Amino acid sequence: EAQVTQNPRYLITVTGKKLTVTCSQNMNHEYMSWYRQDPGLGLRQIYYSMNVEVTDKGDVPEGYKVSRKEKRNFPLILESPSPNQTSLYFCASSFPRTSGGLGETQYFGPGTRLLVL
Amino acid sequence: SQQGEEDPQALSIQEGENATMNCSYKTSINNLQWYRQNSGRGLVHLILIRSNEREKHSGRLRVTLDTSKKSSSLLITASRAADTASYFCATVFQGAQKLVFGQGTRLTINP
Repeated sequence: EAQVTQNPRYLITVTGKKLTVTCSQNMNHEYMSWYRQDPGLGLRQIYYSMNVEVTDKGDVPEGYKVSRKEKRNFPLILESPSPNQTSLYFCASSFPRTSGGLGETQYFGPGTRLLVL
Repeated sequence: SQQGEEDPQALSIQEGENATMNCSYKTSINNLQWYRQNSGRGLVHLILIRSNEREKHSGRLRVTLDTSKKSSSLLITASRAADTASYFCATVFQGAQKLVFGQGTRLTINP
């Protein structure tokens, strides 16, 4: 089944304790992205990757890191989480357009709900 | 902000009625997409309309795009209880490498 998986789905942690949220897709997509969703603010992009070893900042990258060593995986790293990073996180993937740039249909993972105390 | 704005923020209708949601944006786009999100879950792609298209249909969904007004609407006909969800418009701006989401419309279908 074609899908984007995220782990963990729920996480409670404390300020400053490094954590990683994994994202994996089995559709051979080049493009992958991370979003956070907060009430009243909608979804905002954190980082994206056009292909292996190619990553770039989105709208709210502060406090986050990513890596893209393999095509299927795009982990989100919080080196020193803070309470303002409490949020619902989504990973998404897609093919790029043949003319280059962001692909059309984005496939989203089920989300990771993070609480930082 | 490039973020789209959706209207209304919340909509409650009776089953069988039609639901219309609107989305406005600020700059030129390549395409506009609509997504559905069931409570706290992942987003599901519904329909995409390109900047050179004016109307598109998919089952009970009808999307229109007016680039002169920088606005789009999503119509769900003959609503069902299972349509209860949040609906988001998302735009791909020219030259951009990301989707920019509106804040969503929370739709409730009452039986």
